Amino acid sequence: DTAVSQTPKYLVTQMGNDKSIKCEQNLGHDTMYWYKQDSKKFLKIMFSYNNKELIINETVPNRFSPKSPDKAHLNLHINSLELGDSAVYFCASSPPGTGGVRTEAFFGQGTRLTVV
Amino acid sequence: AQSVTQLDSQVPVFEEAPVELRCNYSSSVSVYLFWYVQYPNQGLQLLLKYLSGSTLVKGINGFEAEFNKSQTSFHLRKPSVHISDTAEYFCAGGTSYGKLTFGQGTILTVHP
Repeated sequence: DTAVSQTPKYLVTQMGNDKSIKCEQNLGHDTMYWYKQDSKKFLKIMFSYNNKELIINETVPNRFSPKSPDKAHLNLHINSLELGDSAVYFCASSPPGTGGVRTEAFFGQGTRLTVV
Repeated sequence: AQSVTQLDSQVPVFEEAPVELRCNYSSSVSVYLFWYVQYPNQGLQLLLKYLSGSTLVKGINGFEAEFNKSQTSFHLRKPSVHISDTAEYFCAGGTSYGKLTFGQGTILTVHP
């Protein structure tokens, strides 16, 4: 099926560990994103990559590092995990749209990260 | 900077009743507006979008929304809801390079 897929779906880890979340889209889109949904369900963008280049980098701790090996993949690596990093992380992608306007984002199922 | 406000955190409604979920936006740039739905433990699915043109936009599952520039609103409506519409709904504003700014979400609960 064509989709945005994330792995793993659930991730439980201890404070101080380093972990990665992987994202792949087979929709042929050129832009991918990471969003964080906190415990109150508030969604906020973290990063965006267009054709492997970083175009959006919101105020995110340096412990978070996105990596895009190609335009179909955007991984998120988190160093020295803290309790406050517990959240659901969503990957998304979007096509270029018309006239450069990105008309919508397609979201993955999310990765629920729990730091204990 | 763009901001999006959803005026109701929870909306309970009976099955087959009409519903309106309210959303207001503020922006000094071009306005692109979206409504997404999130079912429990799932990702977000696009319901509908406004980019330009007709102010009344129709989406999936019988939902529609009206863009009102003078009131800076983009309320979501459905004339008759089903139990299966129970979910959390997010209004979002978008930029031309794809960044979405989300509202706080509205939990719609449809009771039998």
